[in-house]
Amino acid sequence: QSALTQPASVSGSLGQSITISCTGTSSDVGNYNLVSWYQQHPGKAPKLMIYEVSKRPSGVSNRFSGSKSGNTASLTISGLQAEDEADYYCCSYAGFTTLWVFGGGTRLTVL
Amino acid sequence: EVQLVESGGGLVQPGGSLRLSCAASGFTFSSYWMHWVRQAPGKGLVWVSRINSDGSSTNYADSVKGRFTISRDNAKNTLYLQMNSLRAEDTAVYYCTRSVNYAVDYWGQGTLVTVSS
Repeated sequence: QSALTQPASVSGSLGQSITISCTGTSSDVGNYNLVSWYQQHPGKAPKLMIYEVSKRPSGVSNRFSGSKSGNTASLTISGLQAEDEADYYCCSYAGFTTLWVFGGGTRLTVL
Repeated sequence: EVQLVESGGGLVQPGGSLRLSCAASGFTFSSYWMHWVRQAPGKGLVWVSRINSDGSSTNYADSVKGRFTISRDNAKNTLYLQMNSLRAEDTAVYYCTRSVNYAVDYWGQGTLVTVSS
């Protein structure tokens, strides 16, 4: 049950776009279109931003988008805003025994 | 409004036991899979355990298998996590979560479990 691999940190300026990668294996990310992304502000519970690779829950800004290629999923945030500064986690279904595996998290800094 | 409220966290000695509870409201509890996810201080999220809607099927992360037991009481709209043989590395905030479409759509605020002598 190895964690998915995410960059420890990314940064971008207000109004710019950034992409956070999430690399797994053919047993998780590469085998299922069941990747989700979560945003977590300090001291708060995580919030669902993307599910099933690219679907947005109601109420989530369309500045957030998801995609997948092979064993790597990506979260793109366009038009960066100050409130986007947070930690972001990917998660993938990994089969009935392991079930879910999270990424190590990426801290986004908005400059 | 969906609400998940955890309780039962606290300080426990290594080797000890603790039972977490999660009171659910604002939705039909018996229709959803539920999970526990934990986060060690300053660290990332880790999936711990899952139970299906009627409690007949459960899964565990390898790190807790044989020590933790997830259960639910649909009549009381409550999710539980019985934690035995606790270790220092179990220290974390434990989140009660609801899943739909293989993603967590609601999280509780978490309860802190500290394993220390």
